[in-house]
Amino acid sequence: GENVEQHPSTLSVQEGDSAVIKCTYSDSASNYFPWYKQELGKRPQLIIDIRSNVGEKKDQRIAVTLNKTAKHFSLHITETQPEDSAVYFCAASWNTGFQKLVFGTGTRLLVSP
Amino acid sequence: DVKVTQSSRYLVKRTGEKVFLECVQDMDHENMFWYRQDPGLGLRLIYFSYDVKMKEKGDIPEGYSVSREKKERFSLILESASTNQTSMYLCAAAGRENSGTDTQYFGPGTRLTVL
Repeated sequence: GENVEQHPSTLSVQEGDSAVIKCTYSDSASNYFPWYKQELGKRPQLIIDIRSNVGEKKDQRIAVTLNKTAKHFSLHITETQPEDSAVYFCAASWNTGFQKLVFGTGTRLLVSP
Repeated sequence: DVKVTQSSRYLVKRTGEKVFLECVQDMDHENMFWYRQDPGLGLRLIYFSYDVKMKEKGDIPEGYSVSREKKERFSLILESASTNQTSMYLCAAAGRENSGTDTQYFGPGTRLTVL
C-alpha cells in the first residue's frame, strides 16, 4: 500500500524566514496531495492541496510543489509568522473512489519572534 | 463549511469497557472516516465508510468496529477497551472523489483515556 514519509519532524525558524517541509510517497498512482495544519488542541485543517496534473500551486504565503518523477512534494511557507507555529501533515491519495488518505507523521513548526 | 462534530472531547474509560464514539456531519457527504492520532505516528486510518451500512477496514482496524446506520452519523466502537487504545480519535467527512467536495474535514477530536 501507499507509504508517505515526511521530513523534518521538527523545524524551528525565525519570524520572517522561509520554511520548507518535504514528503515522499511510494505509490506512483497517487494523484491528490493535501496539506493540513493542526494548531495546538485543534482539529487538522486543510491549508492547500495539489493534484497530479499540476506542478505547483500558490496561495498567498503558502505554496506546494509536486515532482511526480521523484515522487515527492513540498510545502513552502514564506515570511513566516508566529501564528504559523503548528503541526503540519502531508497526505497522499489515489483513485479508490473513496478519497482515502495516507498521512505523513507530521512536522512541528516553531516560528520564533 | 462542513461541520463535523464528535460526541465527547474527553472520555475516560476502564479496561474491558465497551466504548462508543459518535461522529455527525451536516453536509450530506458520502464518505466518513475514523483516525487515531498518536505522537510521532501521524494520523492512522482505522475504518471508513462510503455509504450507509457500508464500511471498509483502514490500516489499523484491530480492536475496533464501526456502524453507519444513517448518512450523517458514523460511530466507532471499542468492543473491549484496552490501555493501548488510549489516544486521540478524529472523525472526518468528505464528498465523492473528484466531485469538488472531496476535501476531508475533521471533527474536533475525542481524547480517550483507558485506565
